[in-house]
Amino acid sequence: EAQVTQNPRYLITVTGKKLTVTCSQNMNHEYMSWYRQDPGLGLRQIYYSMNVEVTDKGDVPEGYKVSRKEKRNFPLILESPSPNQTSLYFCASSYGETQYFGPGTRLLVL
Amino acid sequence: SQQGEEDPQALSIQEGENATMNCSYKTSINNLQWYRQNSGRGLVHLILIRSNEREKHSGRLRVTLDTSKKSSSLLITASRAADTASYFCATDGDSNYQLIWGAGTKLIIKP
Repeated sequence: EAQVTQNPRYLITVTGKKLTVTCSQNMNHEYMSWYRQDPGLGLRQIYYSMNVEVTDKGDVPEGYKVSRKEKRNFPLILESPSPNQTSLYFCASSYGETQYFGPGTRLLVL
Repeated sequence: SQQGEEDPQALSIQEGENATMNCSYKTSINNLQWYRQNSGRGLVHLILIRSNEREKHSGRLRVTLDTSKKSSSLLITASRAADTASYFCATDGDSNYQLIWGAGTKLIIKP
């Protein structure tokens, strides 16, 4: 089944404790992206990747890092999480215009 | 950056009625897409309409695009309880791969 998976689905952590949210797709898509979704603000892009070893900042990259060492994986790294990074995070991949989304990761930073 | 703005922000209708939601955008586009999001879940692509198209249908969905007004509408006919969700429009950004999202319309279908 074609899909985008994210782990973990839910995460509670404390300020400053490094964490990684994994994202994997099995559709051989070149493009992958991370979004955060906050009430009333819609989806805001954090980082995106056009292909392996090619990443670029989206609209809200501060406090996040990404890497793209393999085509299928695009992890999101929060080196020192802060409470304002509490949000719902989505990974997406695409080949053309249509994006395919993962199920989301709900993060709470205390 | 946020380009699309959905209207209304929330809509509550009776099952069986038609639901119409609108999206306005600011810059010229190549295409516009509509996505659905069930509560707290990932977005699902519904339909894409290109800038040279005026109307497109998919099942109970009808999308129109007016590039002169920089607006699009999504019509869901004969609504069902399962249509309860948030609906987002997205326009292409600097490349076909980057999408610019609106804040969404929350649709509630009352049984």
